[in-house]
Amino acid sequence: AQSVTQLGSHVSVSEGALVLLRCNYSSSVPPYLFWYVQYPNQGLQLLLKYTTGATLVKGINGFEAEFKKSETSFHLTKPSAHMSDAAEYFCAVSVQGFKTIFGAGTRLFVKA
Amino acid sequence: DTAVSQTPKYLVTQMGNDKSIKCEQNLGHDTMYWYKQDSKKFLKIMFSYNNKELIINETVPNRFSPKSPDKAHLNLHINSLELGDSAVYFCASSQRTGAYEQYFGPGTRLTVT
Repeated sequence: AQSVTQLGSHVSVSEGALVLLRCNYSSSVPPYLFWYVQYPNQGLQLLLKYTTGATLVKGINGFEAEFKKSETSFHLTKPSAHMSDAAEYFCAVSVQGFKTIFGAGTRLFVKA
Repeated sequence: DTAVSQTPKYLVTQMGNDKSIKCEQNLGHDTMYWYKQDSKKFLKIMFSYNNKELIINETVPNRFSPKSPDKAHLNLHINSLELGDSAVYFCASSQRTGAYEQYFGPGTRLTVT
């Protein structure tokens, strides 16, 4: 069965600093991996996804994530944080034909 | 044009009442979902329908009953509301079942007093 773990329920960075949100997954078959963002009082929206092919995936708003099979990780990064990045971020794993499992979420705070 | 819409956005009601939340998607997707998000932001899948057929039915009290009149609509009816039902409920859709990105509605904040 697949599962996903997000390390750190809260992450705080200064504006302009590197953003690193950690996600580890467990899956017995090649997974599809997603990062979603949820702004206050809104639904989730897709940031990026990994299906097959290139392991470095670029998404919206300058975010990217790298699929590392050996480490079973799919960490989300952004070189320079902006105040508007403050939100809740969810990592999710899915295996074709099965449901999508969401992580517990990481709240990103950006300090001025 | 809104892709996934839900009504109402806010719902305040008393214990014991029955309420419904409606969801519509105009993306032409085959699969729709209901999620419950608690106060700690944990997102739990409740139900999933594919072409009007129930395919996922998690451990949810039978007071919750989903209905899909067609593949563009998925409604959620809740009987005998309890305090613990207070949460934000999200509808979502995806092209097909499984490993496809999901498109979420804006959520319905249910408060049971």
